[in-house]
Amino acid sequence: SQTIHQWPATLVQPVGSPLSLECTVEGTSNPNLYWYRQAAGRGLQLLFYSVGIGQISSEVPQNLSASRPQDRQFILSSKKLLLSDSGFYLCAWSVPSSSTDTQYFGPGTRLTVL
Amino acid sequence: RKEVEQDPGPFNVPEGATVAFNCTYSNSASQSFFWYRQDCRKEPKLLMSVYSSGNEDGRFTAQLNRASQYISLLIRDSKLSDSATYLCVVNNLGSGNTGKLIFGQGTTLQVKP
Repeated sequence: SQTIHQWPATLVQPVGSPLSLECTVEGTSNPNLYWYRQAAGRGLQLLFYSVGIGQISSEVPQNLSASRPQDRQFILSSKKLLLSDSGFYLCAWSVPSSSTDTQYFGPGTRLTVL
Repeated sequence: RKEVEQDPGPFNVPEGATVAFNCTYSNSASQSFFWYRQDCRKEPKLLMSVYSSGNEDGRFTAQLNRASQYISLLIRDSKLSDSATYLCVVNNLGSGNTGKLIFGQGTTLQVKP
């Protein structure tokens, strides 16, 4: 069966510090991968998605970036965090070429920028 | 106008009650539809897909009205464990089947003893 992992689970970082969040998927090959952010009291916002190694599409302009160095690894980064980067970051995967494209979420990383 | 709209609630209902959530979406070309459940401070989990003919899974019934761009979720015989936020989700498939899930802000349900 497929599993998705994220770490760290929680993170408190000062403004201006760098960020690296990691997501890995097991039990599937060449998944579509996604990064979402959920700010407090708000809906989920798609940040990035990837259909393959090295292929990243950005949905919203921001000071975040994403990379996919391996088939089942997706990394979210920032060089300098802003207060507004606080939120719940969720990684998700889906089966490529699926007509319904159901997405399955990891446990998330709760980021607080102080 | 938001792409997916839901009444945020909260819906406070007693155990055993029947409760219905509604959702509207703006993109008439949307291709697939889901209800996700999100517990407090947890990730969303797929509750059920929503099919054009309507579908049922135990106490949960989902319906889709494409003409009105309207999705519903009915929960019968509510349990305390049903307390959560229910997210209406629409998939607007992009190029290469890279589905882009559009999430509603969710409807919060509190089931009381």
